[in-house]
Amino acid sequence: KNQVEQSPQSLIILEGKNCTLQCNYTVSPFSNLRWYKQDTGRGPVSLTIMTFSENTKSNGRYTATLDADTKQSSLHITASQLSDSASYICVVSAGVTGGGNKLTFGTGTQLKVEL
Amino acid sequence: DAGVTQSPTHLIKTRGQQVTLRCSPKSGHDTVSWYQQALGQGPQFIFQYYEEEERQRGNFPDRFSGHQFPNYSSELNVNALLLGDSALYLCASSVGSGEKLFFGSGTQLSVL
Repeated sequence: KNQVEQSPQSLIILEGKNCTLQCNYTVSPFSNLRWYKQDTGRGPVSLTIMTFSENTKSNGRYTATLDADTKQSSLHITASQLSDSASYICVVSAGVTGGGNKLTFGTGTQLKVEL
Repeated sequence: DAGVTQSPTHLIKTRGQQVTLRCSPKSGHDTVSWYQQALGQGPQFIFQYYEEEERQRGNFPDRFSGHQFPNYSSELNVNALLLGDSALYLCASSVGSGEKLFFGSGTQLSVL
């Protein structure tokens, strides 16, 4: 069964500090891994997408890493801002017979940035 | 360019009723996927529509059905509503099974 597990479940940090969120997955066959940011009551917004051959990708203050051997990914947020307060969801895509893909979502890490 | 739009934004229904949620995909997108997101959980895949047909389906009962129109917009129908159907329903669009998935803001459904 394809699974995506994220840690920690929730996190509180002070504005300006850095943090790292973790994602472990057991998805096969692996196609790509995505990180999304979801504000409360809103739809997820894509931050990064990484394929098997990519081990790091940045989007502004967000940097994602991927270790396909250990099936782990991390999302590092630098110099956090109050607007970073949101749920961060790790999503892993598996290839599907006949084409297409199937997404498995983690339950997210709830980040709160405080003054 | 409007992104993915969903309507209504909020909806309150009672058990046993039926509901229809609507989604207009991002311009140029032909594939629509629907997700159910319970509070504190990640989105759960319901089904995906492409060329007006259901292409993939998640582990949801037949009470959940959908439709895609020639203009690529889509509807999600839920019959015989249960309390457990209360959730945020998200629509996402893409080009085929493309890598870039764009989500709408969702419809918050409350079943009383």
